[in-house]
Amino acid sequence: DTAVSQTPKYLVTQMGNDKSIKCEQNLGHDTMYWYKQDSKKFLKIMFSYNNKELIINETVPNRFSPKSPDKAHLNLHINSLELGDSAVYFCASSRRDTDTEAFFGQGTRLTVV
Amino acid sequence: AQTVTQSQPEMSVQEAETVTLSCTYDTSESNYYLFWYKQPPSRQMILVIRQEAYKQQNATENRFSVNFQKAAKSFSLKISDSQLGDTAMYFCAFSLYNNNDMRFGAGTRLTVKP
Repeated sequence: DTAVSQTPKYLVTQMGNDKSIKCEQNLGHDTMYWYKQDSKKFLKIMFSYNNKELIINETVPNRFSPKSPDKAHLNLHINSLELGDSAVYFCASSRRDTDTEAFFGQGTRLTVV
Repeated sequence: AQTVTQSQPEMSVQEAETVTLSCTYDTSESNYYLFWYKQPPSRQMILVIRQEAYKQQNATENRFSVNFQKAAKSFSLKISDSQLGDTAMYFCAFSLYNNNDMRFGAGTRLTVKP
């Protein structure tokens, strides 16, 4: 009964390919996020969705496109992958109101070769 | 924009001793939350402790406690009776009330030595 689950856990792909990472939460939260953690462990928010609506869209290349089919799912699609996209991508969810603690998935390690 | 600063990239402590990790933040808002997350080698992000800015009392969770100084915008984490399993990256995080833009510090790598 994993709270926030991401698939796949590991992804190795060649430059120029298109790939997707899926995320699902069963906590009933109405807000979901994507974070990128670089090789220096720095965590940076990429996107935030609230009830399927995009709330935060940091300066991220438009090759990255989030898709939220419903409030329990937030997928990340990446076009034309580049070497610099190699990182760990975390999905997270939280409630928007008083309890803003974020629950994280286990992360997806993306390696672009 | 809110920023979070962790000035200690790495720290170490002997098993059973106490260690304090520092965090400062910058905001002009008065209602917000502060968090400490732990990331062990397994990569999973685990919430250690949280503090609501409107609460004067410092949060405590077993061996973990915080020293929240609102005027100084400081939020340090104290780990008592350190255990080998406490070895991890520790991230300080900030979130405005009713706003889901959670910002993280750069992290502190803590090593507990036997």
